[in-house]
Amino acid sequence: DADVTQTPRNRITKTGKRIMLECSQTKGHDRMYWYRQDPGLGLRLIYYSFDVKDINKGEISDGYSVSRQAQAKFSLSLESAIPNQTALYFCATSDSLGKAFFGQGTRLTVV
Amino acid sequence: SQQGEEDPQALSIQEGENATMNCSYKTSINNLQWYRQNSGRGLVHLILIRSNEREKHSGRLRVTLDTSKKSSSLLITASRAADTASYFCATDATSQAGTALIFGKGTTLSVSS
Repeated sequence: DADVTQTPRNRITKTGKRIMLECSQTKGHDRMYWYRQDPGLGLRLIYYSFDVKDINKGEISDGYSVSRQAQAKFSLSLESAIPNQTALYFCATSDSLGKAFFGQGTRLTVV
Repeated sequence: SQQGEEDPQALSIQEGENATMNCSYKTSINNLQWYRQNSGRGLVHLILIRSNEREKHSGRLRVTLDTSKKSSSLLITASRAADTASYFCATDATSQAGTALIFGKGTTLSVSS
C-alpha cells in the first residue's frame, strides 16, 4: 500500500459544485500539505498542517478549505469550484527534517 | 512568490552527458532538498542537504549548497534516458507562507539515447 493515498485520482466537476479531495497517510508524520500544480508554475502551497490542531494557509489558499480529521487524514475542499481551479493536486506528508512523501495526485477538471 | 527558482527551465542532453541544474532561494534555510517528478506523477525525494553542509553525494547525484549565495546545484552524472523527468528544489524555510516546504518551478530534463 502507498504511504500517502489520495482519493479520487481523477475528477470532473461542474462550476459551482462543492468537492472534497481526501488524503490519508501511514507514515505517522504530523506534517501534511496540499499543493496544486499547474504547467510552468511548479507546485504551489495551498494549506499545511503541523498537527491536528494546527492549520496554516499557504500562498494560494483563497477558494479552498481544509480539515485535519486525524493525524493520518487531511482533506481539501473547494466550496464552489471554478474553472481556474482545474489542476493537478498533491497531498504530501513530511518527517521532522522536512523530507516529503507525496501521494499519486488528483487530476481535477472544473467545467 | 515562490522560495526557490530553478535554472534552466528546460535542459536537453544526450545519454552519457552530465546534467546540471541550479536553484536559487530567497530566505535563510534549514535544509534544501531535490525531488524528481515523472510526468504527472507524485514527486520523489532524491537528496537533502543541511544548511551547514556544502556538498553531498548519492549515487550519480551530487548536490552543492552555497548559503552565502543562496544557491544550490544538482549534478546528474552519466545521464540515462530514464533520468528524463522534472526536477524541483525545495526549502524548509520561513517564507511569506510561514514555515513550510516550498518548491520551485522545476527544471525539465530530457535525455535522449
